[in-house]
Amino acid sequence: QVQLVQSGAEVKKPGASVKVSCKASGYIFADYYIHWVRQAPGQGPEWMGWINPNSGGTYYAQKFQGWVTMTRDTSSTTAHMELSRLKSDDTAVYYCVREGIAASEDVFEIWGQGTMVTVSS
Amino acid sequence: QAVLTQPSSLSASPGASASLTCILHSGFNVGTYRIYWYRQKPGSPPQYLLRYKSDSDKHQGSGVPSRFSGSKDPSANAGILLISGLQSEDEADYYCMIWHISNSVFGGGTKLTVL
Repeated sequence: QVQLVQSGAEVKKPGASVKVSCKASGYIFADYYIHWVRQAPGQGPEWMGWINPNSGGTYYAQKFQGWVTMTRDTSSTTAHMELSRLKSDDTAVYYCVREGIAASEDVFEIWGQGTMVTVSS
Repeated sequence: QAVLTQPSSLSASPGASASLTCILHSGFNVGTYRIYWYRQKPGSPPQYLLRYKSDSDKHQGSGVPSRFSGSKDPSANAGILLISGLQSEDEADYYCMIWHISNSVFGGGTKLTVL
Protein backbone atom coordinates (compact mmCIF):
# COMPACT_ATOMS: atom_id res chain seq x y z
CA GLN A 1 0.00 0.00 0.00
CA VAL A 2 1.00 3.63 -0.41
CA GLN A 3 2.85 4.84 2.63
CA LEU A 4 5.41 7.28 3.92
CA VAL A 5 7.57 6.16 6.83
CA GLN A 6 9.58 8.80 8.65
CA SER A 7 12.69 8.64 10.76
CA GLY A 8 12.58 8.64 14.53
CA ALA A 9 12.33 11.38 17.11
CA GLU A 10 15.19 13.82 17.54
CA VAL A 11 16.41 16.00 20.41
CA LYS A 12 18.65 18.89 19.42
CA LYS A 13 20.29 21.85 21.09
CA PRO A 14 19.60 25.41 19.97
CA GLY A 15 21.74 26.35 16.99
CA ALA A 16 22.05 22.78 15.76
CA SER A 17 20.56 21.26 12.59
CA VAL A 18 18.17 18.36 12.16
CA LYS A 19 17.57 16.13 9.15
CA VAL A 20 14.31 14.19 8.89
CA SER A 21 13.86 11.36 6.40
CA CYS A 22 10.72 10.12 4.68
CA LYS A 23 10.76 6.73 2.95
CA ALA A 24 8.09 6.35 0.26
CA SER A 25 6.70 3.04 -0.94
CA GLY A 26 3.75 1.62 -2.85
CA TYR A 27 3.82 4.10 -5.72
CA ILE A 28 6.14 5.67 -8.30
CA PHE A 29 8.22 8.04 -6.18
CA ALA A 30 9.05 10.40 -9.06
CA ASP A 31 5.42 11.03 -9.95
CA TYR A 32 4.22 12.94 -6.89
CA TYR A 33 5.48 16.01 -5.07
CA ILE A 34 6.40 15.66 -1.41
CA HIS A 35 5.49 18.49 0.96
CA TRP A 36 6.72 19.11 4.47
CA VAL A 37 4.33 20.36 7.14
CA ARG A 38 5.13 20.96 10.79
CA GLN A 39 2.87 21.24 13.80
CA ALA A 40 3.97 22.76 17.07
CA PRO A 41 2.33 21.45 20.25
CA GLY A 42 -1.28 22.63 20.47
CA GLN A 43 -1.03 24.56 17.21
CA GLY A 44 -2.35 24.18 13.70
CA PRO A 45 -0.21 22.76 10.91
CA GLU A 46 2.32 24.99 9.17
CA TRP A 47 3.37 24.32 5.58
CA MET A 48 7.11 24.52 4.89
CA GLY A 49 7.44 23.78 1.19
CA TRP A 50 7.74 21.02 -1.38
CA ILE A 51 10.17 19.00 -3.44
CA ASN A 52 9.62 17.53 -6.86
CA PRO A 53 11.17 14.05 -6.56
CA ASN A 54 11.55 13.80 -10.33
CA SER A 55 13.66 16.91 -10.89
CA GLY A 56 14.77 17.71 -7.36
CA GLY A 57 13.28 21.16 -7.73
CA THR A 58 12.09 22.81 -4.55
CA TYR A 59 9.84 25.60 -3.36
CA TYR A 60 10.02 26.89 0.19
CA ALA A 61 7.60 29.02 2.16
CA GLN A 62 9.07 32.47 2.56
CA LYS A 63 9.42 32.01 6.31
CA PHE A 64 11.75 29.05 5.82
CA GLN A 65 13.86 30.30 2.93
CA GLY A 66 17.53 30.26 3.85
CA TRP A 67 17.25 27.75 6.66
CA VAL A 68 15.39 24.73 5.27
CA THR A 69 16.76 22.36 2.65
CA MET A 70 14.68 19.64 1.00
CA THR A 71 16.40 16.89 -0.94
CA ARG A 72 15.59 13.46 -2.30
CA ASP A 73 17.34 10.22 -3.14
CA THR A 74 15.53 8.50 -6.01
CA SER A 75 17.53 5.29 -5.58
CA SER A 76 16.10 4.78 -2.11
CA THR A 77 12.79 6.64 -2.76
CA THR A 78 13.48 8.81 0.26
CA ALA A 79 12.88 12.51 0.79
CA HIS A 80 14.80 14.52 3.37
CA MET A 81 14.17 17.81 5.14
CA GLU A 82 16.99 19.57 6.94
CA LEU A 83 16.34 22.57 9.19
CA SER A 84 19.30 24.56 10.46
CA ARG A 85 19.93 27.07 13.25
CA LEU A 86 17.27 25.49 15.38
CA LYS A 87 15.46 27.52 18.04
CA SER A 88 13.18 26.36 20.83
CA ASP A 89 10.10 27.34 18.87
CA ASP A 90 11.09 24.88 16.15
CA THR A 91 9.96 22.17 18.55
CA ALA A 92 7.22 20.42 16.60
CA VAL A 93 6.08 17.29 14.84
CA TYR A 94 7.35 17.34 11.28
CA TYR A 95 5.33 15.53 8.62
CA CYS A 96 6.13 14.61 5.05
CA VAL A 97 3.03 14.54 2.88
CA ARG A 98 2.39 13.29 -0.62
CA GLU A 99 0.15 15.23 -2.95
CA GLY A 100 -3.00 13.66 -4.32
CA ILE A 101 -3.52 11.93 -7.62
CA ALA A 102 -4.64 13.64 -10.83
CA ALA A 103 -7.25 16.38 -10.30
CA SER A 104 -6.31 16.49 -6.64
CA GLU A 105 -2.64 17.41 -6.78
CA ASP A 106 -3.45 20.31 -4.47
CA VAL A 107 -4.53 17.94 -1.72
CA PHE A 108 -2.32 16.64 1.07
CA GLU A 109 -3.42 13.06 0.63
CA ILE A 110 -0.85 10.70 2.16
CA TRP A 111 0.84 11.67 5.42
CA GLY A 112 3.84 10.21 7.13
CA GLN A 113 3.47 9.26 10.77
CA GLY A 114 5.36 12.36 11.88
CA THR A 115 8.74 12.95 13.49
CA MET A 116 8.94 14.76 16.82
CA VAL A 117 11.80 17.24 16.93
CA THR A 118 12.54 18.74 20.32
CA VAL A 119 14.89 21.70 20.61
CA SER A 120 16.13 22.19 24.13
CA SER A 121 19.30 23.26 25.87
CA GLN B 1 -4.73 39.08 12.15
CA ALA B 2 -4.60 35.50 10.93
CA VAL B 3 -5.42 34.63 7.32
CA LEU B 4 -7.84 31.87 8.41
CA THR B 5 -9.76 32.08 11.69
CA GLN B 6 -11.58 29.14 13.22
CA PRO B 7 -13.47 28.98 16.52
CA SER B 8 -11.35 27.13 19.00
CA SER B 9 -14.07 24.72 20.06
CA LEU B 10 -17.53 23.46 19.23
CA SER B 11 -19.80 20.97 20.95
CA ALA B 12 -22.68 19.03 19.47
CA SER B 13 -24.80 15.99 20.29
CA PRO B 14 -24.63 12.57 18.62
CA GLY B 15 -26.96 12.43 15.64
CA ALA B 16 -27.06 16.21 15.30
CA SER B 17 -25.31 18.34 12.69
CA ALA B 18 -22.26 20.52 13.24
CA SER B 19 -21.25 23.50 11.15
CA LEU B 20 -17.57 24.41 11.41
CA THR B 21 -16.59 27.80 10.09
CA CYS B 22 -13.38 29.13 8.63
CA ILE B 23 -13.35 32.90 8.27
CA LEU B 24 -10.96 34.42 5.77
CA HIS B 25 -9.11 37.64 6.49
CA SER B 26 -10.82 40.58 4.82
CA GLY B 27 -8.03 40.78 2.27
CA PHE B 28 -8.95 37.35 0.93
CA ASN B 29 -12.22 36.85 -0.97
CA VAL B 30 -13.65 33.45 -0.10
CA GLY B 31 -15.23 33.22 -3.54
CA THR B 32 -11.84 32.90 -5.21
CA TYR B 33 -10.46 30.10 -3.06
CA ARG B 34 -10.84 26.39 -2.73
CA ILE B 35 -11.29 25.64 0.96
CA TYR B 36 -9.72 22.39 2.16
CA TRP B 37 -10.73 20.56 5.31
CA TYR B 38 -8.64 18.16 7.35
CA ARG B 39 -9.45 16.15 10.46
CA GLN B 40 -6.90 15.18 13.08
CA LYS B 41 -7.34 12.75 15.92
CA PRO B 42 -4.94 12.70 18.89
CA GLY B 43 -1.59 11.15 18.08
CA SER B 44 -2.31 10.88 14.36
CA PRO B 45 -1.48 13.05 11.37
CA PRO B 46 -4.21 15.13 9.75
CA GLN B 47 -6.50 13.36 7.30
CA TYR B 48 -7.87 15.02 4.19
CA LEU B 49 -11.67 15.25 4.16
CA LEU B 50 -12.71 17.42 1.24
CA ARG B 51 -12.21 20.62 -0.69
CA TYR B 52 -14.91 23.04 -1.76
CA LYS B 53 -14.98 26.08 -4.00
CA SER B 54 -18.44 25.81 -5.49
CA ASP B 55 -21.01 23.13 -6.21
CA SER B 56 -19.28 22.59 -9.56
CA ASP B 57 -15.79 22.57 -8.07
CA LYS B 58 -15.60 20.24 -5.13
CA HIS B 59 -13.80 17.04 -4.23
CA GLN B 60 -14.43 14.41 -1.58
CA GLY B 61 -11.53 12.55 -0.04
CA SER B 62 -11.25 8.86 -0.68
CA GLY B 63 -13.51 6.96 1.69
CA VAL B 64 -14.91 10.11 3.29
CA PRO B 65 -18.66 9.69 3.92
CA SER B 66 -21.13 11.98 2.21
CA ARG B 67 -22.28 13.27 5.60
CA PHE B 68 -19.21 15.50 5.39
CA SER B 69 -19.84 18.36 3.00
CA GLY B 70 -18.51 21.80 2.22
CA SER B 71 -20.12 25.13 1.51
CA LYS B 72 -19.47 28.85 1.77
CA ASP B 73 -21.09 31.86 3.37
CA PRO B 74 -20.03 34.81 1.22
CA SER B 75 -21.66 37.29 3.58
CA ALA B 76 -19.31 36.15 6.33
CA ASN B 77 -16.40 35.56 3.95
CA ALA B 78 -16.27 32.04 5.34
CA GLY B 79 -15.89 28.45 4.33
CA ILE B 80 -18.04 25.89 6.12
CA LEU B 81 -17.64 22.20 6.88
CA LEU B 82 -20.98 20.58 7.63
CA ILE B 83 -21.02 17.26 9.40
CA SER B 84 -24.42 15.60 9.62
CA GLY B 85 -25.41 12.62 11.72
CA LEU B 86 -22.61 13.21 14.22
CA GLN B 87 -20.91 10.15 15.63
CA SER B 88 -18.59 9.83 18.59
CA GLU B 89 -15.74 9.05 16.18
CA ASP B 90 -16.12 12.54 14.69
CA GLU B 91 -14.66 14.01 17.85
CA ALA B 92 -11.37 15.52 16.65
CA ASP B 93 -9.59 18.70 15.63
CA TYR B 94 -10.64 20.14 12.28
CA TYR B 95 -8.44 22.42 10.20
CA CYS B 96 -9.24 24.50 7.15
CA MET B 97 -6.64 25.41 4.58
CA ILE B 98 -6.22 27.46 1.43
CA TRP B 99 -3.59 27.82 -1.25
CA HIS B 100 -2.54 31.45 -1.70
CA ILE B 101 0.08 32.38 -4.30
CA SER B 102 1.48 28.84 -4.29
CA ASN B 103 1.66 28.79 -0.50
CA SER B 104 -0.49 26.66 1.77
CA VAL B 105 -2.05 28.36 4.79
CA PHE B 106 -3.83 26.54 7.63
CA GLY B 107 -6.29 27.80 10.17
CA GLY B 108 -5.76 27.34 13.88
CA GLY B 109 -8.30 24.54 14.12
CA THR B 110 -11.58 23.77 15.85
CA LYS B 111 -11.84 21.10 18.49
CA LEU B 112 -15.15 19.31 17.97
CA THR B 113 -16.60 17.58 20.98
CA VAL B 114 -19.46 15.12 20.50
CA LEU B 115 -21.42 14.66 23.71
